[in-house]
Amino acid sequence: AQSVAQPEDQVNVAEGNPLTVKCTYSVSGNPYLFWYVQYPNRGLQFLLKYITGDNLVKGSYGFEAEFNKSQTSFHLKKPSALVSDSALYFCAVRAVFSGGYNKLIFGAGTRLAVHP
Amino acid sequence: GAGVSQSPSNKVTEKGKDVELRCDPISGHTALYWYRQSLGQGLEFLIYFQGNSAPDKSGLPSDRFSAERTGGSVSTLTIQRTQQEDSAVYLCASSLEQGARQPQHFGDGTRLSIL
Repeated sequence: AQSVAQPEDQVNVAEGNPLTVKCTYSVSGNPYLFWYVQYPNRGLQFLLKYITGDNLVKGSYGFEAEFNKSQTSFHLKKPSALVSDSALYFCAVRAVFSGGYNKLIFGAGTRLAVHP
Repeated sequence: GAGVSQSPSNKVTEKGKDVELRCDPISGHTALYWYRQSLGQGLEFLIYFQGNSAPDKSGLPSDRFSAERTGGSVSTLTIQRTQQEDSAVYLCASSLEQGARQPQHFGDGTRLSIL
């Protein structure tokens, strides 16, 4: 079955330290991968995407993610965390179904808590 | 600029009542999605519209749920005979095209509470 997994429910990091939020996937076809962030009482905001090209993708707010085909991973990273980065993060991947139909499937989300 | 707009932002209703939730997508976006999110959890896909194609209704949890999209723009999600387990945040998103190459743009959701 096609799926995306975020193995950590919560990630805790001190302000100024690097952060990583993990994502692995299993899909048919070439993976299109996305990261979204959700702040309290808001919808999801697009951070970055990988479609093709360089494995290291840079996005909004200083975030980046690295596509690793052999490990089927797309971990989100930031060199120096801010308290304001505290939010819920979702990884999403394109899943391809019979007849060429495709749509995004989302991970369960990882709550990032950055402590002063 | 104008993003995805959802109304109402909050809705409280009694069990058994019908509710309608509205979504105004970004102008020019042909794809529109409805999701349900419970208590800050993950997203549950409900339904997907793409242009004039038949919608993908595979995520609708029961026949009490229905959605339509008129004129390829505004969409309405209807829940009939609401139950307490329908309480959740209902999120709408739109994107430029099908194919999942383009990111989805989300509204801020409608928080539905069933008493």
